[in-house]
Amino acid sequence: DADVTQTPRNRITKTGKRIMLECSQTKGHDRMYWYRQDPGLGLRLIYYSFDVKDINKGEISDGYSVSRQAQAKFSLSLESAIPNQTALYFCATSNGLAGGSYNEQFFGPGTRLTVL
Amino acid sequence: GQNIDQPTEMTATEGAIVQINCTYQTSGFNGLFWYQQHAGEAPTFLSYNVLDGLEEKGRFSSFLSRSKGYSYLLLKELQMKDSASYLCAVERSGGSYIPTFGRGTSLIVHP
Repeated sequence: DADVTQTPRNRITKTGKRIMLECSQTKGHDRMYWYRQDPGLGLRLIYYSFDVKDINKGEISDGYSVSRQAQAKFSLSLESAIPNQTALYFCATSNGLAGGSYNEQFFGPGTRLTVL
Repeated sequence: GQNIDQPTEMTATEGAIVQINCTYQTSGFNGLFWYQQHAGEAPTFLSYNVLDGLEEKGRFSSFLSRSKGYSYLLLKELQMKDSASYLCAVERSGGSYIPTFGRGTSLIVHP
């Protein structure tokens, strides 16, 4: 079984709809992240969480919100989707420096979101 | 702020050696990651450099010069399966250890 899972894997929706992307992990990591990836722009950080009570904005948080329901679950919501939120979304986890000398991130398989 | 530069695309021949460069400018540098990402898949960790010098791991090596703000990923004995994007990511000092990713280099390996 995959250590980091994302649902759904693909989603097509319409402008103005509310969308939730879910991420679950079995790695036991405290840290979880949401990124979006657009062609030519690389991975950009939306939100991150270092534990259940800790939520932080990344570089492009406008239009998004998150919920850390448990150590293993981190959801990303688009309150009112717009076409420029069409992208590939990745969830990632890490253990900070607790697992070693560097903060390696482990990524889920991605959710391809299309907003029409 | 940060500025991370890497070439957009590179091509190479199967069996050859290729070097993918990454230059960065950042206020406070801790370390540098390289990730590999095949088309439509998740990025996976390749290497981490915190000290100057070369880290070798099988066919892949990564080099860092902190004073020059420069790193490269060296891939030897290229295989077709090495066709992928290679992401350079800079980790800033200050405690959060969250990396900032460059735009990635798409490597195409042809026979």
